[in-house]
Amino acid sequence: SYELTQPPSVSVSPGQTASITCSGDKLGDKYACWYQQKPGQSPMLVIHQDNKRPSGIPERFSASNSGNTATLTISGTQAMDEADYYCQAWDSSTVVFGGGTKLTVL
Amino acid sequence: QLQLQGSGPGLVKPSETLSLTCSVSGASITSSSFYWGLIRQPPGKGLEWIGSIYYNGNTNYNPSLKSRATMSVDTSRKEFSLKLRSVTAADTAVYYCVRHIVGEEGVDWFDPWGQGTLVTVSS
Repeated sequence: SYELTQPPSVSVSPGQTASITCSGDKLGDKYACWYQQKPGQSPMLVIHQDNKRPSGIPERFSASNSGNTATLTISGTQAMDEADYYCQAWDSSTVVFGGGTKLTVL
Repeated sequence: QLQLQGSGPGLVKPSETLSLTCSVSGASITSSSFYWGLIRQPPGKGLEWIGSIYYNGNTNYNPSLKSRATMSVDTSRKEFSLKLRSVTAADTAVYYCVRHIVGEEGVDWFDPWGQGTLVTVSS
């Protein structure tokens, strides 16, 4: 079965750029999306179709997908961006999630 | 604005069947552009897709749960449902109702997510 691998944790200083990776076999040939989940809340879509931001998502959130890796980038990271982030893709009629990355802003 | 509300027993005994219903408001459940899905999250763990259903009843399931899961849809009541048989403690999780946007060539994403329903499996 298809697997997506994320680092368990990433740390970033306020105002700096955070990068969260998601790796999978030929992931670049698929579409990746990203979700943000803050403690006690439901996940929220922040990126779909590799690099498209839904309405209301700040421009500091961007993403790319090429080769075996999709990357979520948060520019000028703010304290409010501290959350768990999950990547997701579709493979062989099955939805696959990455294990999630805890982003700490310190 | 689309809202998804899950409902069901918060406590289910081991070996019994977990039943969950998701109500859709603010949008048509029969839209040709969307599926309707269920995703779960065990306490402190990651996300697991259970399955998705189209308004005509077509379904896709996570292979790991396919033998125990059945989803159905009631368009007149604007609801879709899950039955998960033979539950164990490992099925304890927050269950999210979601709209599943599915396009061509593997395009898909989930938006929005309901608030989540905690289901505990315990005797």
